[in-house]
Amino acid sequence: GESVGLHLPTLSVQEGDNSIINCAYSNSASDYFIWYKQESGKGPQFIIDIRSNMDKRQGQRVTVLLNKTVKHLSLQIAATQPGDSAVYFCAEKGWGSTLGRLYFGRGTQLTVWP
Amino acid sequence: GAVVSQHPSRVICKSGTSVKIECRSLDFQATTMFWYRQFPKQSLMLMATSNEGSKATYEQGVEKDKFLINHASLTLSTLTVTSAHPEDSSFYICSAKAGGRADTQYFGPGTRLTVL
Repeated sequence: GESVGLHLPTLSVQEGDNSIINCAYSNSASDYFIWYKQESGKGPQFIIDIRSNMDKRQGQRVTVLLNKTVKHLSLQIAATQPGDSAVYFCAEKGWGSTLGRLYFGRGTQLTVWP
Repeated sequence: GAVVSQHPSRVICKSGTSVKIECRSLDFQATTMFWYRQFPKQSLMLMATSNEGSKATYEQGVEKDKFLINHASLTLSTLTVTSAHPEDSSFYICSAKAGGRADTQYFGPGTRLTVL
């Protein structure tokens, strides 16, 4: 994931539109990637994950795309709703990591306008 | 499934006192638990990783004598902030991961610590 920074990237979308949240990761040897949603004052909530042997995975209203060539991960949210407003974090796990430590990106603040 | 709880959800204490935070995996056995700290509008910062029955592995810069971690069972890990000071005020979050090939970490709801 990207290094921790002081400025949180933001994305504003209108209700009903599709959202795309991007993440660049740093370790080409990472073999597992995961997206979390964090609402204000709460812990991160699992959304969807993907292993490095895949390039796309779909869930309910969400799709994760993995491009290992450019080390890029994206989260697509279809028909975005006000309840989707939150901070979204991507995280990666290095191949062979015995403890399963995740490296987190700095997060993206998604705001959905009615 | 995969529910993780934390207690307390928020705590206010006086400077110099110690505070214990509990993290429990409610419906699975967590071989590994992680403790994070989060400042406003920032990402999660890993403090330490604990495996059941062994000593925790602390990240660089985290004082192990100040942040005591115990992972006594497959469903419970505790973080004790000793001799707390105002600069320890933060949002502390735990996560838990099952054993084997499981990679997904499930997070607790977090604990807001305020040290006066």
